[in-house]
Amino acid sequence: KQEVTQIPAALSVPEGENLVLNCSFTDSAIYNLQWFRQDPGKGLTSLLLIQSSQREQTSGRLNASLDKSSGRSTLYIAASQPGDSATYLCAPEDSGTYKYIFGTGTRLKVLA
Amino acid sequence: KAGVTQTPRYLIKTRGQQVTLSCSPISGHRSVSWYQQTPGQGLQFLFEYFSETQRNKGNFPGRFSGRQFSNSRSEMNVSTLELGDSALYLCASSLGPGEGDTQYFGPGTRLTVL
Repeated sequence: KQEVTQIPAALSVPEGENLVLNCSFTDSAIYNLQWFRQDPGKGLTSLLLIQSSQREQTSGRLNASLDKSSGRSTLYIAASQPGDSATYLCAPEDSGTYKYIFGTGTRLKVLA
Repeated sequence: KAGVTQTPRYLIKTRGQQVTLSCSPISGHRSVSWYQQTPGQGLQFLFEYFSETQRNKGNFPGRFSGRQFSNSRSEMNVSTLELGDSALYLCASSLGPGEGDTQYFGPGTRLTVL
């Protein structure tokens, strides 16, 4: 059974810092992996999709890397801003069933 | 292009009642997945429908059921509600399994069971 762990569980940083959010998963047999953000009480917004043949993906100040063999993905946020405050979730996609399994998330607060 | 819509947004029910939630996917998307989100358990997968067929099912009791219509709209039903069913229910749509594309989430339905 796939288990997804995200570290740290919560993070509070001053504006402008570069951040690293970690995601580890126990079953390396995954297809794609997505990173999402969720604002309080809202749905999820997809940030980055790393497809099965890719090792990283970039969008603006965000960069996500994926190492399937070690069961790890990392989300880098450059020059953090207060608007980045949210919960960040990673979700690897099971290669057999195409189900996304979500981690428990990292709750990020960027202080102005 | 319109996003994923979910209705109703908020719902209050009492124990023992049943409830039906609706999800309209992005136009052209044929896959709809449902998730339950609670503070204690996080996001848990309920089921996925693709072309009116249930493709995947999570570990939830039979009180939770769903269906998908020919226009890809989906409904989920929870019968005999329990207090523990209080949660944010999210649906997500995508083109289809293994298509290498993004899952797009709706805003969710907040269900409170009293």
